[in-house]
Amino acid sequence: KQEVTQIPAALSVPEGENLVLNCSFTDSAIYNLQWFRQDPGKGLTSLLLIQSSQREQTSGRLNASLDKSSGRSTLYIAASQPGDSATYLCAVRAGANSKLTFGKGITLSVRP
Amino acid sequence: KAGVTQTPRYLIKTRGQQVTLSCSPISGHRSVSWYQQTPGQGLQFLFEYFSETQRNKGNFPGRFSGRQFSNSRSEMNVSTLELGDSALYLCASSPWTGGNTEAFFGQGTRLTVV
Repeated sequence: KQEVTQIPAALSVPEGENLVLNCSFTDSAIYNLQWFRQDPGKGLTSLLLIQSSQREQTSGRLNASLDKSSGRSTLYIAASQPGDSATYLCAVRAGANSKLTFGKGITLSVRP
Repeated sequence: KAGVTQTPRYLIKTRGQQVTLSCSPISGHRSVSWYQQTPGQGLQFLFEYFSETQRNKGNFPGRFSGRQFSNSRSEMNVSTLELGDSALYLCASSPWTGGNTEAFFGQGTRLTVV
C-alpha cells in the first residue's frame, strides 16, 4: 500500500529565503507525482506534474525534482514571498488508471 | 477555459438526512474523481468515474455513491448522514487524452452535519 509522507508538517521562513519542501513515498513504482497548493478553505491548485520518466519540472520560481529509486520528491521555492504562504501537498499516482495518494501536506508561512 | 465547478459551496445538513453534491469538470475532461478532506485524515479517495463508469473506488461505506453523466458532469450522494461525514468534499477532473492524468480540483463543497 502506497504511503506518502511530508515532513515537517509546518514551516515558517522569512521573506526572500529559498526553501525546499520534501515528499517521500514508499512504493517507487509510480506513474507520476503532482504538487499542489491549497489556501485555507479552498480547493487545490496544481503546481507541477512530474512523469515517472522525468527528473524535474520547472514553473517560474518553482522547481520540482523526482528520484523514484529513493522514493523522494522535492519542491524548491526560490525567493519566497508572503503570497507563497499556503499548504503544499504532494500526491503520487501508481498507474495511469490509479487514484492519487496524498501526503498530509506542509503548511508554509512566509514572514514579511 | 472554465475550471472545475462544484456546487453548492456550503451545506448544512442534519444527521440522518441525505445530500447530493455536484461537479462540472473542465470541458473535454473525461475523468472525474472525488476526495474527502478532513483535518485528521487528510485527503482520502472516494471514487473515480470515466466515461460514465466507476473505474476506481476507495474504502468508504456504501452510503457514499456517485455517478457520471454523458456530459462528464458528476454527482456524489451521501445517505444517512453521520456527524463524521462533516468534511470538505473535493472533485478533480483529468483530461485523459494522450495519457494526460494531471488533476485539476474544484473549490470544494464544505459539508457540515449537525
